[in-house]
Amino acid sequence: AQKVTQAQTEISVVEKEDVTLDCVYETRDTTYYLFWYKQPPSGELVFLIRRNSFDEQNEISGRYSWNFQKSTSSFNFTITASQVVDSAVYFCALIANTGGFKTIFGAGTRLFVKA
Amino acid sequence: GAGVSQSPRYKVAKRGQDVALRCDPISGHVSLFWYQQALGQGPEFLTYFQNEAQLDKSGLPSDRFFAERPEGSVSTLKIQRTQQEDSAVYLCASSLGASSTDTQYFGPGTRLTVL
Repeated sequence: AQKVTQAQTEISVVEKEDVTLDCVYETRDTTYYLFWYKQPPSGELVFLIRRNSFDEQNEISGRYSWNFQKSTSSFNFTITASQVVDSAVYFCALIANTGGFKTIFGAGTRLFVKA
Repeated sequence: GAGVSQSPRYKVAKRGQDVALRCDPISGHVSLFWYQQALGQGPEFLTYFQNEAQLDKSGLPSDRFFAERPEGSVSTLKIQRTQQEDSAVYLCASSLGASSTDTQYFGPGTRLTVL
């Protein structure tokens, strides 16, 4: 079965702190795709990153970085020097063959960044 | 320029009424997806179109739910005889290619409240 677990329901930090959002996934497929989306209060999911299972290189984009570790089935997301505008719900998602290539989302982590 | 647009943004229906939710995908995008997002949860897959063909409708919760995309662009999700459990945000997403693993771009959603 395909599953995505985001164990942190809510995280609250003070501006400029670093914060890591955890994502653990389950799949038996060897080919799969992982995503992170941001959902601000406006409701629209904003795409952040897509990673396929054959590319374990970590990625950095500005203040955002992602750590993909197949050994622990994790795809964690770190925001460095957080800002108030980072406040949102963040979703990790998985697409794999066994799931019929349907996107499976985690329950999301709500991040509050206080000024 | 647009991104994916959805209308209406908010819909209140009395139990038993029929509703129609519209999605305008990004121009030229081949694939279109519908998701249902309950409060505090991640989006759940409903159905997937490739052009006008509905390739997967396995996520539709009952035969009261019906989706169409007759000309391969605009899509409508129809819910007949609405029930209170249908209250949710309905998200539409589109992607450029024919593969369901391509990056999806989401609209702002329609919040449906059934009284």
